[in-house]
Amino acid sequence: NAGVTQTPKFQVLKTGQSMTLQCAQDMNHNSMYWYRQDPGMGLRLIYYSASEGTTDKGEVPNGYNVSRLNKREFSLRLESAAPSQTSVYFCASRVGQSAPQHFGDGTRLSIL
Amino acid sequence: GQQLNQSPQSMFIQEGEDVSMNCTSSSIFNTWLWYKQDPGEGPVLLIALYKAGELTSNGRLTAQFGITRKDSFLNISASIPSDVGIYFCAGQGATNKLIFGTGTLLAVQP
Repeated sequence: NAGVTQTPKFQVLKTGQSMTLQCAQDMNHNSMYWYRQDPGMGLRLIYYSASEGTTDKGEVPNGYNVSRLNKREFSLRLESAAPSQTSVYFCASRVGQSAPQHFGDGTRLSIL
Repeated sequence: GQQLNQSPQSMFIQEGEDVSMNCTSSSIFNTWLWYKQDPGEGPVLLIALYKAGELTSNGRLTAQFGITRKDSFLNISASIPSDVGIYFCAGQGATNKLIFGTGTLLAVQP
């Protein structure tokens, strides 16, 4: 019963470095999402993939790119990390657009 | 970006007390969700609401979808120490994107 699995759990980067956060779900869900969580801000949507082969921008997409590699996997890439991207990143998935989202345990990313 | 107004921001209560928190929005939603987040983990779904006026329970938790479709509340009865965590509401409207509240931090003293 893995659900949504995110790797790595923790990462420290220097400003300007690149990094890919991985997410995989084993629930055969169609839609996948990337959020960032900052203190006092709740969760904000970065990018999402409504179905395999499609990706769309969310509320805060600048500085990020995504790839829906297949139905199971949805990765988030920081090409040139900035201190403002220090955050906790959550991946989520759901079977369809009216279903609840299920979350992974997060990746804690610090950029120095 | 759009966010929900969730209150209170934090609550410090004694074990056994009842708890109530709510979310309000300027937009109409078709779905309201309530999540709980424990330290170091991702949000876990507690209750999903799909119809205005709907009242749904999950053990000691009860949530309602407001009649106006712009608000929802969550009640926890007879709180216990393991209820500690951050509770988030989330609403979904015509865009099919979830909008999250800023969370309510609940602390329960044994």
